[in-house]
Amino acid sequence: DTAVSQTPKYLVTQMGNDKSIKCEQNLGHDTMYWYKQDSKKFLKIMFSYNNKELIINETVPNRFSPKSPDKAHLNLHINSLELGDSAVYFCASSRQGGNYEQYFGPGTRLTVT
Amino acid sequence: AQSVTQPDIHITVSEGASLELRCNYSYGATPYLFWYVQSPGQGLQLLLKYFSGDTLVQGIKGFEAEFKRSQSSFNLRKPSVHWSDAAEYFCAVAGTGNQFYFGTGTSLTVIP
Repeated sequence: DTAVSQTPKYLVTQMGNDKSIKCEQNLGHDTMYWYKQDSKKFLKIMFSYNNKELIINETVPNRFSPKSPDKAHLNLHINSLELGDSAVYFCASSRQGGNYEQYFGPGTRLTVT
Repeated sequence: AQSVTQPDIHITVSEGASLELRCNYSYGATPYLFWYVQSPGQGLQLLLKYFSGDTLVQGIKGFEAEFKRSQSSFNLRKPSVHWSDAAEYFCAVAGTGNQFYFGTGTSLTVIP
């Protein structure tokens, strides 16, 4: 019974392509996040959505666009992929406010060739 | 500004030995602190958290951590390491809007 799921788990694509990563949580949480983990394992937040509203938008290229059709889903769309976009992308969710723990998905390893 | 420092990039311990992973944080108010573990090819799993109260917190898999405000530290400990504990460990502090600030991680190798 997966709490936070992501698809696909692996994504290999060529430069210039557009791709999406999907995330779903069945925890009833109001807040969802996208993180990028680089090759050195450093985790950096990219976006945060609370009840479908964007609340954190770190400095990421505007080629990255999050979309939240409902509070259980937060998808990440990436346009014009570049080599430097290769990384592992993690989705997470948490209860709203109060500094609650975040629950992470299994990650999507994106490789841009 | 909030930040987390994990001074040890990589630690190697023998199976059965004790373990301590260091974490120092920078935060203006009372911090909300977390330790996560990431096994190879997996997502992050919460080990334990500190919000308030008892400064020694117990987590899953036999881990514990101690919050020391005077040292701005939240070190993770385990009395006896198992081979399955080999993983990447991340310390995090929660800032405003529940934005997490992660340390750079400590990679743990366990030798037989």
